[in-house]
Amino acid sequence: DIQMTQSPSTLSASVGDRVTITCRASQSITSWLAWYQQKPGKAPKPLIYDASRLETGVPSRFSGSGFGTEFTLTISSLQPDDFATYYCQQYNTYWTFGQGTKVEIK
Amino acid sequence: DVQLLESGGGVVQPGGSLRLSCAASGLTFDTYAMNWVRQAPGKGLEWVSAISGSGDATYYVDSVKGRFTISRDNSKNTLYLQMNSLRAEDTALYYCAKDLSSGGGRYFDLWGRGTLVSVSS
Repeated sequence: DIQMTQSPSTLSASVGDRVTITCRASQSITSWLAWYQQKPGKAPKPLIYDASRLETGVPSRFSGSGFGTEFTLTISSLQPDDFATYYCQQYNTYWTFGQGTKVEIK
Repeated sequence: DVQLLESGGGVVQPGGSLRLSCAASGLTFDTYAMNWVRQAPGKGLEWVSAISGSGDATYYVDSVKGRFTISRDNSKNTLYLQMNSLRAEDTALYYCAKDLSSGGGRYFDLWGRGTLVSVSS
C-alpha cells in the first residue's frame, strides 16, 4: 500500500502569507497526485490534479509541484477564505489520502 | 446543476447492515467511475470503494473487503454501498465521489455532501 505523509499537521499563518504544505509518498507515484480543500461541515473540493494542474475555477494563488515521492501545495498570498484543512491524495495505485494539514489563523 | 446526493445513513448496532445510495444528476452517469470515501468524526479522509462506469470492476480498501459491496444502477443514475457486519470503526460520514474517468484511477472531481453512519449499541 502507498502511504501519504503530509507536513505540517497544523500551520498558523496570517492573511497575505505565503504558505507551503508538503506531501510525501512511500513510493513513486510519478505525477498522480491531487490536492483538496475541506472546510468544516463541507465536502472536499479539488484544487490541483496531476500534481500541478489547477482545477477549473480555483484561484491562481494556489499552485502545486513535485514528481515521484515529494510534492508541495503553495498558496502565494493567503486569503481569509483559505483557512481550511488541505489533503493530498495519490491515485497511482488505488487511492490514499494524506492525514491533512489544518491552516489556521495566526 | 451537476450534483451527487447521498442517503441511507443512520444509527445501526454492531453487526448490523445498512445500504447507502448516491443519486447523480446533471451528468452522463455511466461514463464515470464512482467511489465511496469516508471520514470518521474529527479525522481525515479514507477511500473505501470504487466501481467502474460499466460496473464490471470493483475495488475495496482492505478493512471493508468481504463486508461491503459497491454496485450501481446506471438506468437509475444511482450508486450503492451495501454495508454488512458493521463495526464501531465504520462510524463516519460517507461521501460519494465521482472519478474523472470511466475506468477509474484518476482523482475525484465531484463530491456529494455525505451521509452519516453511526455504529453503536
